[in-house]
Amino acid sequence: DAKTTQPTSMDCAEGRAANLPCNHSTISGNEYVYWYRQIHSQGPQYIIHGLKNNETNEMASLIITEDRKSSTLILPHATLRDTAVYYCICTDGGSQGNLIFGKGTKLSVKP
Amino acid sequence: GAVVSQHPSWVICKSGTSVKIECRSLDFQATTMFWYRQFPKQSLMLMATSNEGSKATYEQGVEKDKFLINHASLTLSTLTVTSAHPEDSSFYICSASLRGGYTFGSGTRLTVV
Repeated sequence: DAKTTQPTSMDCAEGRAANLPCNHSTISGNEYVYWYRQIHSQGPQYIIHGLKNNETNEMASLIITEDRKSSTLILPHATLRDTAVYYCICTDGGSQGNLIFGKGTKLSVKP
Repeated sequence: GAVVSQHPSWVICKSGTSVKIECRSLDFQATTMFWYRQFPKQSLMLMATSNEGSKATYEQGVEKDKFLINHASLTLSTLTVTSAHPEDSSFYICSASLRGGYTFGSGTRLTVV
């Protein structure tokens, strides 16, 4: 699985958009980009994933660059409850595979 | 959506005793489940891969005789921490894959005193 690089921490004002970047320059053609988040002392929560097209769901949007070497997770209107560690993970998504977690980005949403 | 139920959510045990953590897939069958461990302020580290009806695959450095994994059915995997020591205190999380996605349990906070 491709290695990912994320900033250690970010702050965001409540109500504003939170843009979390991720670099995955060694991603291979069959690897998806997954985003999970972990609120303190809970299991990781799925947010969104994509292969090469931009994706949007009720939680967030995922923007993947054309060369697929980086992506950005966008939380359009951050709330205090979005404070968490956000993990960007690249994997081919095979049912026998597992997710390898990096250090993630600690997002702090401030009032 | 797919739900993985993990319990207990927290447990305190004495050194030398064993603790069992259960992970159930509620609305799907999971032939493979994954067990992670997370120490404070660190990321999740994969401990082992649990396969229904066969032996678990352990990551390097994880003692298979200490962390016993049983995956006897398609909906249940258990992790037993045997002869627990204070250094085994951690947050243990299970996960299952389904159609390319991954669902996580809510985690178990183990404290060994």
